[in-house]
Amino acid sequence: SAVISQKPSRDICQRGTSLTIQCQVDSQVTMMFWYRQQPGQSLTLIATANQGSEATYESGFVIDKFPISRPNLTFSTLTVSNMSPEDSSIYLCSIDGSSYNEQFFGPGTRLTVL
Amino acid sequence: SQKIEQNSEALNIQEGKTATLTCNYTNYSPAYLQWYRQDPGRGPVFLLLIRENEKEKRKERLKVTFDTTLKQSLFHITASQPADSATYLCALRSNDYKLSFGAGTTVTVRA
Repeated sequence: SAVISQKPSRDICQRGTSLTIQCQVDSQVTMMFWYRQQPGQSLTLIATANQGSEATYESGFVIDKFPISRPNLTFSTLTVSNMSPEDSSIYLCSIDGSSYNEQFFGPGTRLTVL
Repeated sequence: SQKIEQNSEALNIQEGKTATLTCNYTNYSPAYLQWYRQDPGRGPVFLLLIRENEKEKRKERLKVTFDTTLKQSLFHITASQPADSATYLCALRSNDYKLSFGAGTTVTVRA
């Protein structure tokens, strides 16, 4: 298994501001994933972050709104830019297990935008 | 379009009974299907994986079936306990590396 931590665990932000979420893993991994989970909804993949290359974004998500950094094999950040109330959600990072048979998730960051 | 649907209603059951959750999918050809448990304020935790060529998988009180003809998986919690109360998510992994999740079914087990 893996230990994944996220900071902050929750935040309340004003419209138009930006928030950077940090994800730290206790082992080196090639890919890290960022998901969004809106209230009552399924997890939706935002992007895949590979160390040393640009993140790959899913349809409906763009780099200007969700810039991602991946400076090393154990760390990644997701920024939610120019926030609106529609960005209120839980944001989760995850990694694949060694056999790719499961994913391990961080505890999530609960974001509320006023 | 691709779609994953789980029981839309929350499930309330008496302790000791079996909870049965459904996951239906359309327009996917999954290599395998996974089930996760999510508690409030926490990230999902992996429970079980079943491959396309497997009919059934068991782990302790959990049983999963996978019918690729019906495009359906059933997830059973036998001899349920109040500690089993949580939201259960199914997820499909296609031939690329990405996981697609259902919205989840919330189970409440009454003592």
